[in-house]
Amino acid sequence: ILNVEQSPQSLHVQEGDSTNFTCSFPSSNFYALHWYRWETAKSPEALFVMTLNGDEKKKGRISATLNTKEGYSYLYIKGSQPEDSATYLCAFALKTSYDKVIFGPGTSLSVIP
Amino acid sequence: GAVVSQHPSRVICKSGTSVKIECRSLDFQATTMFWYRQFPKQSLMLMATSNEGSKATYEQGVEKDKFLINHASLTLSTLTVASAHPEDSSFYICSARRRLGYEQYFGPGTRLTVT
Repeated sequence: ILNVEQSPQSLHVQEGDSTNFTCSFPSSNFYALHWYRWETAKSPEALFVMTLNGDEKKKGRISATLNTKEGYSYLYIKGSQPEDSATYLCAFALKTSYDKVIFGPGTSLSVIP
Repeated sequence: GAVVSQHPSRVICKSGTSVKIECRSLDFQATTMFWYRQFPKQSLMLMATSNEGSKATYEQGVEKDKFLINHASLTLSTLTVASAHPEDSSFYICSARRRLGYEQYFGPGTRLTVT
């Protein structure tokens, strides 16, 4: 059974703090790694898709890195704002069935004003 | 662009009734749509993948006679939970993907409660 893990499960940070969390996935049969942000009562929103080992992507204050050899990705948020409060999901796509993604359980972030 | 709607957002029904959930891509053509289910505190679990005009492909352990999927057009897929029981109570969410590219665009989900 393929497993995608995320840590921590949840965290609370003060406004202005920077934070990061981890997604771990199987290092073999890798095709792509997706990050989504999911705010309560809204649709999950795609943040990044990464395919190459060493990839780094950035969108405003949010950035992500990818290490396919050891099977992990980090998501960083610089200077967290209350509007960053959401659940952050990563999803792993297999080379042999890249159509499908396997989701991690998510990291729930609360940014306290 | 890339907006996906899902209807209804919430439904409560009695045991034994069937429930239909619609997933629509509003501003793009979705050649592939995915249906997921989420139990409390757990990951989104893929139930099935549907391509327009063909039968859905179900994941292992998902009963195709219980969860009927129809992808009749490039903008609409439906999931019907047949003869729903309390154990079918869950959060169901769909996503849609264009012909080119592998990004999935999600609907807001449907909370199903079977009493």
